[in-house]
Amino acid sequence: ETGVTQTPRHLVMGMTNKKSLKCEQHLGHNAMYWYKQSAKKPLELMFVYSLEERVENNSVPSRFSPECPNSSHLFLHLHTLQPEDSALYLCASSQEPSPTNEKLFFGSGTQLSVL
Amino acid sequence: GESVGLHLPTLSVQEGDNSIINCAYSNSASDYFIWYKQESGKGPQFIIDIRSNMDKRQGQRVTVLLNKTVKHLSLQIAATQPGDSAVYFCAVDPMDSNYQLIWGAGTKLIIKP
Repeated sequence: ETGVTQTPRHLVMGMTNKKSLKCEQHLGHNAMYWYKQSAKKPLELMFVYSLEERVENNSVPSRFSPECPNSSHLFLHLHTLQPEDSALYLCASSQEPSPTNEKLFFGSGTQLSVL
Repeated sequence: GESVGLHLPTLSVQEGDNSIINCAYSNSASDYFIWYKQESGKGPQFIIDIRSNMDKRQGQRVTVLLNKTVKHLSLQIAATQPGDSAVYFCAVDPMDSNYQLIWGAGTKLIIKP
């Protein structure tokens, strides 16, 4: 157990659906992240939150909408997705919002398939 | 900008042998380097890190070597065990972002019995 829990583990959705991914961290960390992991490609940083404030939006399309109601919870709201958005979506946390100096703790991810 | 490449997408090693996974980076100003391990069905897990003021760092059964002259990073796993089967990622601080790491595409380590 890494202390970061993601639900659901698997999600299949149509292009017109709206769904949400949930992440919860039990580590008392101040920073939370969304990453996208596609097969045989490097991890792509999507969003960074520091104490519930978004501090990085890495040119992510507006069909992905993050929400951080408190420092322990992070959501990724999905709507009107495309098949190329199918990937493993990973949530991570760190003590401070600086993954270049801090260990990242990852959840197990949500495997998303868009039909 | 920074780029990170792994030398091999797959590495097969006999159980009990040592494994060496290699990574190359492009920015000579990069200061911080990390290795993560991702087992099947799980997220990446931190293994070991090293800063540019060091050329070697050891952990439990793992050693990271940094050669700044040729911009090369390697992860050595001693006495490889079945539990070491995973995809290994190197990541580098590109020095131009507070939050962004540059990740390699990963090397899958396969342990032969």
